[in-house]
Amino acid sequence: AQKITQTQPGMFVQEKEAVTLDCTYDTSDQSYGLFWYKQPSSGEMIFLIYQGSYDEQNATEGRYSLNFQKARKSANLVISASQLGDSAMYFCAMREVVSYNTDKLIFGTGTRLQVFP
Amino acid sequence: DAGVTQSPTHLIKTRGQQVTLRCSPKSGHDTVSWYQQALGQGPQFIFQYYEEEERQRGNFPDRFSGHQFPNYSSELNVNALLLGDSALYLCASSLQRGKNTGELFFGEGSRLTVL
Repeated sequence: AQKITQTQPGMFVQEKEAVTLDCTYDTSDQSYGLFWYKQPSSGEMIFLIYQGSYDEQNATEGRYSLNFQKARKSANLVISASQLGDSAMYFCAMREVVSYNTDKLIFGTGTRLQVFP
Repeated sequence: DAGVTQSPTHLIKTRGQQVTLRCSPKSGHDTVSWYQQALGQGPQFIFQYYEEEERQRGNFPDRFSGHQFPNYSSELNVNALLLGDSALYLCASSLQRGKNTGELFFGEGSRLTVL
């Protein structure tokens, strides 16, 4: 069964510094997708970045980049130049393909990031 | 462009009651998935609807049921509520897999408290 592990319950970072949030995954599938979502206190899950298992380049989206190490089965999120508004829960997720046109996301337990001035 | 909208945002029920949660997907999306997020946990997949049919179901009892309407909106129904059903219920919409990366857009959720 597919599994996502986030070992950091909480992280602190000073404003303008970079921070890395860890994510490891377990799957026997050759083709898979990895996602990072941000969840502020409002509850909405906000999509940040996606990495496909066959993508050769690490994904980047603005201040977010994904450090994808396939052999280690890790997909760490790097946030550069942290801002106070980055304080939130961050979830790593993997897409599990159930059938040709049906899939679902498997989420980790999340990391609470707090950015301080 | 309206995103995913859910209603109600908060509600309180007592054990044994029934609840209906509603979701309107992002414009142009045809697939709706429901997730349950207990306090301090990541979301867990309940089920997915496409073409008004339940396509896949997670490890949830039959007390959880759903429906998708022709306009792609969806409802989640939970019968015989238990204290453990207290959670944030998230609706996510997407295009049918194969049309894009399968990115999900989430609503802000409905926070259910069962007393």
